[in-house]
Amino acid sequence: GQQVMQIPQYQHVQEGEDFTTYCNSSTTLSNIQWYKQRPGGHPVFLIQLVKSGEVKKQKRLTFQFGEAKKNSSLHITATQTTDVGTYFCLHAGNNRKLIWGLGTSLAVNP
Amino acid sequence: EAQVTQNPRYLITVTGKKLTVTCSQNMNHEYMSWYRQDPGLGLRQIYYSMNVEVTDKGDVPEGYKVSRKEKRNFPLILESPSPNQTSLYFCASSLRATINQPQHFGDGTRLSIL
Repeated sequence: GQQVMQIPQYQHVQEGEDFTTYCNSSTTLSNIQWYKQRPGGHPVFLIQLVKSGEVKKQKRLTFQFGEAKKNSSLHITATQTTDVGTYFCLHAGNNRKLIWGLGTSLAVNP
Repeated sequence: EAQVTQNPRYLITVTGKKLTVTCSQNMNHEYMSWYRQDPGLGLRQIYYSMNVEVTDKGDVPEGYKVSRKEKRNFPLILESPSPNQTSLYFCASSLRATINQPQHFGDGTRLSIL
């Protein structure tokens, strides 16, 4: 069945460094959503991308959807300790099935 | 305030003792679902419901039951819990089960089955 591969599984950075997580699929994605889960919290919706090549920004976060709509990325510029958490991508598949990436856990050293 | 409410937040119980985790949303959402979250395995969907009286299995339904008698409520039932069901559980809802609907999550229920 349709799968979304998310990498890396873990990332440890120094505060101020950049961070990127990727979601990749072998098939075309109609859409991709990104969520953030703080330690001890629940996933919270960040953004949705639906158009080929789409780029959206939220302050230091940049979200991209690939031209072929088979991959997406979340890039954080100059990480802060408040960015700590796990970032998930989500695709709503053709049969309405929700397909989650396994998540990337980000740790930030102050 | 728009929210998804789960109860209890924490529960320690013993093998075989039936338990129910409640989930309620006040946003008139059609789609509701249950997930379990285990280290390294991400969010795995247990059951979902497209609307009242419509439920379907997710990726890991064994050992669980659900019901959707009312739009706002979607309880998760463990008829005979076992230790491998020890996990963090999330209920989520969205307006509809279509491609552009964000998922809204409850705060989670941490279950320990001894």
